[in-house]
Amino acid sequence: SAVISQKPSRDICQRGTSLTIQCQVDSQVTMMFWYRQQPGQSLTLIATANQGSEATYESGFVIDKFPISRPNLTFSTLTVSNMSPEDSSIYLCSVRDRDTGELFFGEGSRLTVL
Amino acid sequence: AQSVAQPEDQVNVAEGNPLTVKCTYSVSGNPYLFWYVQYPNRGLQFLLKYITGDNLVKGSYGFEAEFNKSQTSFHLKKPSALVSDSALYFCAVRPTDPGYSSASKIIFGSGTRLSIRP
Repeated sequence: SAVISQKPSRDICQRGTSLTIQCQVDSQVTMMFWYRQQPGQSLTLIATANQGSEATYESGFVIDKFPISRPNLTFSTLTVSNMSPEDSSIYLCSVRDRDTGELFFGEGSRLTVL
Repeated sequence: AQSVAQPEDQVNVAEGNPLTVKCTYSVSGNPYLFWYVQYPNRGLQFLLKYITGDNLVKGSYGFEAEFNKSQTSFHLKKPSALVSDSALYFCAVRPTDPGYSSASKIIFGSGTRLSIRP
């Protein structure tokens, strides 16, 4: 298993600002995943972050809005840029067990945009 | 298209009674199947998984799930519910079909809110 720490755990932000969420894993992993969980909704994959290369974004998500960094095998950041109230969500970082595909999640970062 | 369905938005059960949370999937090949639980203001926690082998898998907190290939289902069950089981439950599937371009992607169901009354 993996232990994943995210911060901030929650924040209230003003429209038009940007916020960076940090994700730290207690072991080295090749891929890290960023998910969004909008209020009352399921999880939607935003992007896959690979160390040493650009992140791979899912349909409907773009780098300008959600830039991702992956400087090493244990750390990643997700920035939510130019926020609007529609960005109010829980953002979750996760890593995957290479053999079983099981995902391990951080506690999530709950963003509220006013 | 690959998909996971949780047909019930909410399941209400009295404490001590058995519970079932339903999940069906439409995925080619032999997928990996998972259940996760999310308590209020928390991230997702892994409950159990099916990769291969015995169709009945046991997981955390007394939960179990039965894989039924012919019905493409993976229902979550517990013989005796506890109030503390009240949470949001997600079924998830990882396709393993080599033809699926995003084989590393895990697909989540819409979630079922389980409410256990004392």
